[in-house]
Amino acid sequence: QSALTQPASVSGSPGQSITISCTGTSSDVGRYNLVSWYQQLPGKAPKLMIYEGSKRPSGVSNRFSGSKSGNTASLTISGLQAEDEADYYCCSYAGSRTLVFGGGTKLTVL
Amino acid sequence: EVQLVESGGGLIQPGGSLRLSCAASGFTFSSYWMHWVRQVPGKGLVWVSRIYNDGSSTSYADSVRGRFTVSRDNAKNTLYLQMNSLRAEDTAVYYCARELQLVGATSQTDAFDMWGQGTMVTVSS
Repeated sequence: QSALTQPASVSGSPGQSITISCTGTSSDVGRYNLVSWYQQLPGKAPKLMIYEGSKRPSGVSNRFSGSKSGNTASLTISGLQAEDEADYYCCSYAGSRTLVFGGGTKLTVL
Repeated sequence: EVQLVESGGGLIQPGGSLRLSCAASGFTFSSYWMHWVRQVPGKGLVWVSRIYNDGSSTSYADSVRGRFTVSRDNAKNTLYLQMNSLRAEDTAVYYCARELQLVGATSQTDAFDMWGQGTMVTVSS
């Protein structure tokens, strides 16, 4: 159950698009279409942004999108806004009824 | 109001035991799989455990298997995490989370659509 690999930080200017990667293995991200993404604001509980790799829950802006290629999942935020500044985490099913999170990425809106 | 409220955290000595509770309200608790996730302040999220809606199946992260036990009381709308043989590395905020359930589907989504506010557990002498 090794943590998925995310960049420690990414940044972008308002209006730009950024992508956060989440790299696992053929035993987790690469094998199952069960990657989810969470946004966590300081001092708050995480919020679900994407599930099953690319699906958005009701109420989540369509500026957020998810995809996967091989063992790497990605979260793209388009039209970056100041309110998007937060920590982002990916999570994947890892087999044997277990799950694994990524280490988290701090998004800075310049 | 639809919510999850954790309780039971606190300061405990290494080797000690603690039971966390998560009270659910505003939804049909007995229909949902539930999870525990922990986070060391300033660090990342770590999945801890899952329990099926009827309690028939449980699973754990390697780091807590054999020491932690997840359970639920659907009559009381409450999820529990019994933590034994606590270690300093178990120090974290513990969140309970509800697994997303898709309409008309029974398969796992492995996504958490509702979280509690968290309860802090500190293991220290």
